[in-house]
Amino acid sequence: EVQLVESGGGLVQPGESLRLSCAASDFTFSDYVMGWVRQAPGKGLEYVSVISGTFGITNYADSVKGRFTISRDNSKKTVYLLMNSLRDEDTATYYCVKDIRDESSGSDVGFDVWGRGTKVTVSS
Amino acid sequence: SYELTQPPSVSVSPGQTARITCSGDALPKKYAYWYHQKSGPAPVLVIYEDSKRPPGIPERFSGSSSGTMATLTISGAQVEDEGDYYCFSADSGGNQRVFGGGTKLTVL
Repeated sequence: EVQLVESGGGLVQPGESLRLSCAASDFTFSDYVMGWVRQAPGKGLEYVSVISGTFGITNYADSVKGRFTISRDNSKKTVYLLMNSLRDEDTATYYCVKDIRDESSGSDVGFDVWGRGTKVTVSS
Repeated sequence: SYELTQPPSVSVSPGQTARITCSGDALPKKYAYWYHQKSGPAPVLVIYEDSKRPPGIPERFSGSSSGTMATLTISGAQVEDEGDYYCFSADSGGNQRVFGGGTKLTVL
């Protein structure tokens, strides 16, 4: 069964950093765009970032650009999200997501598999 | 910045048809994806590429897109279909990806 398992969440103070990890299993990891979506408490879903499988091309939401960095290690089937200069408004559950189509399809990005999420709380 | 607009809430009686819309300028060129989230668990994909249904999603879920509006239709809505529904798509250049604000579906 295709599975995504996030880790690395926790409580940090404003201005600090945190790195999230997402371990994938049961699919050809390097063939797929992977990403992160977050949801603040009581709020809707917010796209954060994606990274392509082969060349590691990245894309970010304006709200995190310049502060967050997405990366991946295809040999470890793991995608990361390094979050710097964290703000109160970054408090959310962060979901790891997988694109529904492999990269060779050239199709739009849309996510079919979601992890259970990891909570990040930014508070002093 | 690019936006997708959804109605905040939709309410139907069990067995009725629920329609949830998603409006965005790039929808004529970009696919819409639809997600269902009940309070707590991660969202579930119910429609992809405007109108395709993933394995395991009941046939009562369907999607369509015309012009700048995508529509999720639940024919014969059930109580278990309650929850929040989000559309997802990108701007015409594919650089900005966004979720709609979400629609709370009530079936009672």
